[in-house]
Amino acid sequence: DGGITQSPKYLFRKEGQNVTLSCEQNLNHDAMYWYRQDPGQGLRLIYYSQIVNDFQKGDIAEGYSVSREKKESFPLTVTSAQKNPTAFYLCASTLGGGAETQYFGPGTRLLVL
Amino acid sequence: SQKIEQNSEALNIQEGKTATLTCNYTNYSPAYLQWYRQDPGRGPVFLLLIRENEKEKRKERLKVTFDTTLKQSLFHITASQPADSATYLCALGGASGTYKYIFGTGTRLKVLA
Repeated sequence: DGGITQSPKYLFRKEGQNVTLSCEQNLNHDAMYWYRQDPGQGLRLIYYSQIVNDFQKGDIAEGYSVSREKKESFPLTVTSAQKNPTAFYLCASTLGGGAETQYFGPGTRLLVL
Repeated sequence: SQKIEQNSEALNIQEGKTATLTCNYTNYSPAYLQWYRQDPGRGPVFLLLIRENEKEKRKERLKVTFDTTLKQSLFHITASQPADSATYLCALGGASGTYKYIFGTGTRLKVLA
């Protein structure tokens, strides 16, 4: 089956801890995205990557970091600098840029202990 | 700043009726507009895309209109069914060739049997 997988489904973070959310796609898509969704709110863009080894900050990049070493993988690290990390995190991909359908993963819910 | 507005209140309609959802935007010139469906705890799923030079798009029971003068899109579901109950998100993209998308907060639709 082609698609996007995210893991884990639920993730718990302790104070001062960095955690990494996984996103993998086997759609051969060039572009990948990370969004954050808070209750009753729309999706806010954290980071996006148009090609391997390149990525750009979105609207709320502070406290987050990403890497794009492989085309199929775009992991997101939530650092201790992110003071309010509790949210639903969604990864998406598109074949390229412009007028492209975004394919979303199932999401990871991050909770703070 | 760029802003997308969708009805924040839930929309309840009777089965068989037509549901109409609104998406308004300001300070943005999108090349296209997309509508997505999101079920609780899951990632959004693409439904329809309409480009700036198109007035209307249809897909089965779904219809989207796009008025770039009014800066508004309407999303219609005809002969609505309880299975259509979900949150519907609009997203703008393609401005100045950017890979970025901007999402609205979504409207929760409930179709009553």
